[in-house]
Amino acid sequence: DVKVTQSSRYLVKRTGEKVFLECVQDMDHENMFWYRQDPGLGLRLIYFSYDVKMKEKGDIPEGYSVSREKKERFSLILESASTNQTSMYLCASSFTGLAGLRIAKNIQYFGAGTRLSVL
Amino acid sequence: DAKTTQPPSMDCAEGRAANLPCNHSTISGNEYVYWYRQIHSQGPQYIIHGLKNNETNEMASLIITEDRKSSTLILPHATLRDTAVYYCIVRVATNSGAGSYQLTFGKGTKLSVIP
Repeated sequence: DVKVTQSSRYLVKRTGEKVFLECVQDMDHENMFWYRQDPGLGLRLIYFSYDVKMKEKGDIPEGYSVSREKKERFSLILESASTNQTSMYLCASSFTGLAGLRIAKNIQYFGAGTRLSVL
Repeated sequence: DAKTTQPPSMDCAEGRAANLPCNHSTISGNEYVYWYRQIHSQGPQYIIHGLKNNETNEMASLIITEDRKSSTLILPHATLRDTAVYYCIVRVATNSGAGSYQLTFGKGTKLSVIP
């Protein structure tokens, strides 16, 4: 079974702190994603990466950065945490699939989530 | 991506089949139907996907109408652990640029399995 592991389930930080959220997957997937989930807003994509050292902005990248130095690890960085970044953060990964028919990249495997509170 | 419409909530008695509908009347020929669910306080979980034929796996069955404008996810014997929000997503399966990687989760259907 695919395993996507997020480093913390719960995290409490202070405004202005630099926050690192870590995600590791064990299935050699090319693609990794960071989402945040808020009540009434659903899941929103922050950043994703389709290869080592490659990253693309999602719908809401402001205030965040990411790092992908190794294939299995994708880090989300809050440069200066703010109270409006209090949220549930979800990491996911997917396989790219066969050339010409990439059904598999839409099958994303999610971690358990990190509930971040910024005070 | 085609828009999907799902009922906001449904109840199902434990042990009975749960049939969750999804309307995707604007689906195009190269778009697949994917189903995910999210149990409270956990990350979403992939369930099943299909193009036009009915599909079955160890978790569920997916029935897609002949005109592909709607589909139904069937949990054959619902248990209390199936209580979750179920999401129907319609996506192309092509590698056409960065935007092709983004999954969009709508509001889904909150399924409550009743003892």
